[in-house]
Amino acid sequence: EVQLQQSGAELVRPGTSVKLSCKVSGDTITAYYMHFVKQRPGQGLEWIGRIDPEDDSTKYAEKFKNKATLTADTSSNTAYLKLSSLTSEDTATYFCTTFAYWGQGTLVTVSS
Amino acid sequence: DIVMTQAPLSVSVTPGESASISCRSSKSLLHSNGITYVYWYLQKPGKSPQLLIYRMSNLASGVPDRFSGSGSETDFTLKISRVEAEDVGIYYCGQLLENPHTFGAGTKLELK
Repeated sequence: EVQLQQSGAELVRPGTSVKLSCKVSGDTITAYYMHFVKQRPGQGLEWIGRIDPEDDSTKYAEKFKNKATLTADTSSNTAYLKLSSLTSEDTATYFCTTFAYWGQGTLVTVSS
Repeated sequence: DIVMTQAPLSVSVTPGESASISCRSSKSLLHSNGITYVYWYLQKPGKSPQLLIYRMSNLASGVPDRFSGSGSETDFTLKISRVEAEDVGIYYCGQLLENPHTFGAGTKLELK
């Protein structure tokens, strides 16, 4: 059974960065495109982008091109999402997903 | 970007009755390979989204056959027969045809 295990909740200061992880078990990460999706409190789903761990190629939604950076480490079967220049607008739960399988989500709270 | 429009925004259903949720895309989701790239998800309270239907009409593994998906190139329907208490949550349609992947605003299903 494929499982995606995400890192724990983060409380971060405005203007800083945070890096979230998503570890795949039950299969090799190179079998999938790894996507990240944002969900603000009480809101819908917003696609951030995806990485192909096979060749590290990435695609981003336009609004996240200067906000998010996706990387992957095939040796640890883990994908990462780095969010920079954080503001209150980045307070949300971030999911990693293959669109068939989903992680449990990481809550990022941006507050001074 | 492809806009996904869901209706209704909320639905209240008597257990044992049926429910239908509609989703319309601003562009055809039919690929030249013959596959229609619309997906349906259920997000139960406090949980990650879970895949119900993939490629318009295919039931995901482990999903009860009370759920079914149908549609055309731009108009799609999720039908839930014999609604049960465990079906409560927010239903999302999403398109995986092209980047950026986009989702409908969600339909909240409650029990009467």
